[in-house]
Amino acid sequence: DTAVSQTPKYLVTQMGNDKSIKCEQNLGHDTMYWYKQDSKKFLKIMFSYNNKELIINETVPNRFSPKSPDKAHLNLHINSLELGDSAVYFCASSFGRGDTQYFGPGTRLTVL
Amino acid sequence: GENVEQHPSTLSVQEGDSAVIKCTYSDSASNYFPWYKQELGKGPQLIIDIRSNVGEKKDQRIAVTLNKTAKHFSLHITETQPEDSAVYFCAATGPTSGTYKYIFGTGTRLKVLA
Repeated sequence: DTAVSQTPKYLVTQMGNDKSIKCEQNLGHDTMYWYKQDSKKFLKIMFSYNNKELIINETVPNRFSPKSPDKAHLNLHINSLELGDSAVYFCASSFGRGDTQYFGPGTRLTVL
Repeated sequence: GENVEQHPSTLSVQEGDSAVIKCTYSDSASNYFPWYKQELGKGPQLIIDIRSNVGEKKDQRIAVTLNKTAKHFSLHITETQPEDSAVYFCAATGPTSGTYKYIFGTGTRLKVLA
């Protein structure tokens, strides 16, 4: 059984397009996260939701908008995609703030 | 701001030897330190963690040590095997700003040579 799942696994798109990445966790966790991993493998937090409330919002362009329809889902919508958005995006979840985070398999986004 | 430094960035060892990866954190309020292993094309997987009230923790071939005074923590892998080859990340988190944000190190690429 997959604990944290993401779709799609690969996403190739043109500059200027709008795209979404979906994340679901079946661990019963209250907190979910989005991370960006760049080409140098550096992992950086983007957003975090706790019980559908936004608790972390790092310095991310407002073209990125997270949405949490319920505790088990956290989606990431990206408008007007740019070349620099190419990266691997990871979703993660934890029981609460400060608890162990469990990561999804990642979505590799390539902007052409 | 908070920062975690991780060394070395790459590490090659012979199969059966030990590997040590070191991290230093800046936020003295940090109280939880997980280690993740990331294999090619996969997400980071937790391999071991330690809380600030403990100095050492061991799980089979993997151990983590924490020196709160020096703000250092290290991952030790003994009897390395080819399947240990991966990128390893340390992280630190604590109640700063109430968010418990994970601050990750920059990763160590471990290669175990058969």
